[in-house]
Amino acid sequence: DIVMTQSPDSLAVSLGERATINCKSSQSVLYSSNNKNYLAWYQQKPGQPPKLLIYWASTRESGVPDRFSGSGSGTDFTLTISSLQAEDVAVYYCHQYYDTPPQTFGQGTKVEIK
Amino acid sequence: QITLKESGPTLVKPTQTLTLTCTFSGLSFSTSGVGVGWIRQPPGKALEWLAFIYWDDNKRYSPSLKSRLTITKDTSKNQVVLTMTNMDPVDTATYYCANRRGEKMALDSWGQGTLVTVSS
Repeated sequence: DIVMTQSPDSLAVSLGERATINCKSSQSVLYSSNNKNYLAWYQQKPGQPPKLLIYWASTRESGVPDRFSGSGSGTDFTLTISSLQAEDVAVYYCHQYYDTPPQTFGQGTKVEIK
Repeated sequence: QITLKESGPTLVKPTQTLTLTCTFSGLSFSTSGVGVGWIRQPPGKALEWLAFIYWDDNKRYSPSLKSRLTITKDTSKNQVVLTMTNMDPVDTATYYCANRRGEKMALDSWGQGTLVTVSS
């Protein structure tokens, strides 16, 4: 199985400041034939299902604010919230869909307001 | 708009078999690349991918649970059914139904989830 490791486990950021979450996969999720990274990011608020934010490592889902961005390739990826808003308080998960089965998720990163 | 909704028992006893149904709309298995499946989340813990079934009837299972899982689809009813045998208290979790489409392959819509508790 591909192991997804997120860092940090939690972070507290002031409103309007940048939040950065890292995700490292135990093997590359870059598919050479189409040059796509099979990596997604989700946001989960308490009592709600996860919501897709980013797919193909850097493509923002429709309707997701442009303060959310994804970057990285191969085994190292980053989700950035450029200017944290109160509504961004949530747990964020990375997800690899390169290797099926099983697809795997990171352990989650909890984002709070400082 | 895609919607998915999970249904099934909220409480099962150890050793029993769990049957969950995902009923969806706005999605069709006649479309190439479509998949519908299940992810679970124990209370306070991370997400775990369980099983998916695809438009071409291919099925994929988590290797660690494969012996206990069966996933099927009923195209006419827009439903996907997951059965999990020999339930144990460690299987207590919220079970989510989600879909993927070929152009994204990520899980772009999720149901609200159903909490299943395993207890005698």
